[in-house]
Amino acid sequence: ETGVTQSPTHLIKTRGQQVTLRCSSQSGHNTVSWYQQALGQGPQFIFQYYREEENGRGNFPPRFSGLQFPNYSSELNVNALELDDSALYLCASSFWARALNGYTFGSGTRLTVV
Amino acid sequence: DAKTTQPTSMDCAEGRAANLPCNHSTISGNEYVYWYRQIHSQGPQYIIHGLKNNETNEMASLIITEDRKSSTLILPHATLRDTAVYYCIVRKADSGNTPLVFGKGTRLSVIA
Repeated sequence: ETGVTQSPTHLIKTRGQQVTLRCSSQSGHNTVSWYQQALGQGPQFIFQYYREEENGRGNFPPRFSGLQFPNYSSELNVNALELDDSALYLCASSFWARALNGYTFGSGTRLTVV
Repeated sequence: DAKTTQPTSMDCAEGRAANLPCNHSTISGNEYVYWYRQIHSQGPQYIIHGLKNNETNEMASLIITEDRKSSTLILPHATLRDTAVYYCIVRKADSGNTPLVFGKGTRLSVIA
């Protein structure tokens, strides 16, 4: 079975720009979550998608938005980038009804905002 | 905010058992204890989880105290590849819409 893949691996953007990060979930998984990890901190929950709808959101502003597609892949969009958005963005997938078994994370996208 | 408390860092000699403690004194009856680890430049990796009984899998053992207010993750024979940040997480048992709440974790260094 394939794991979670994220693209791109690294990205540099200018303050004020918009960015789209992509995630392919693990085979058999139907739920995707996104996390932001600042340097030296644990990952922070942004939001989760199930059945192509947002199903839970952390303390992040509306300029962070997402999509989930019929094949369960997902995108994270961030508008009006700020310097503090520089972080590792992690995607995690799971199967809704078996979420007790844990999440599978991708290796992340390192975003640098200059 | 994370509902767990972990030491900031620990060292362990290669080949010895690594015992990583976690306090979760406010855990509720329907909350599980999960452990993840994050090796440098990778995403977190699921290790093990438990409710109240001790659990063991091919990676580690999880010992939960009877009052469930603390737990210990045991890596029986630590190797250099076990060097990572280990996160202890308390999470509700439901069908899937409860996210993981990470703290800062314990940075484990396995020393040759």
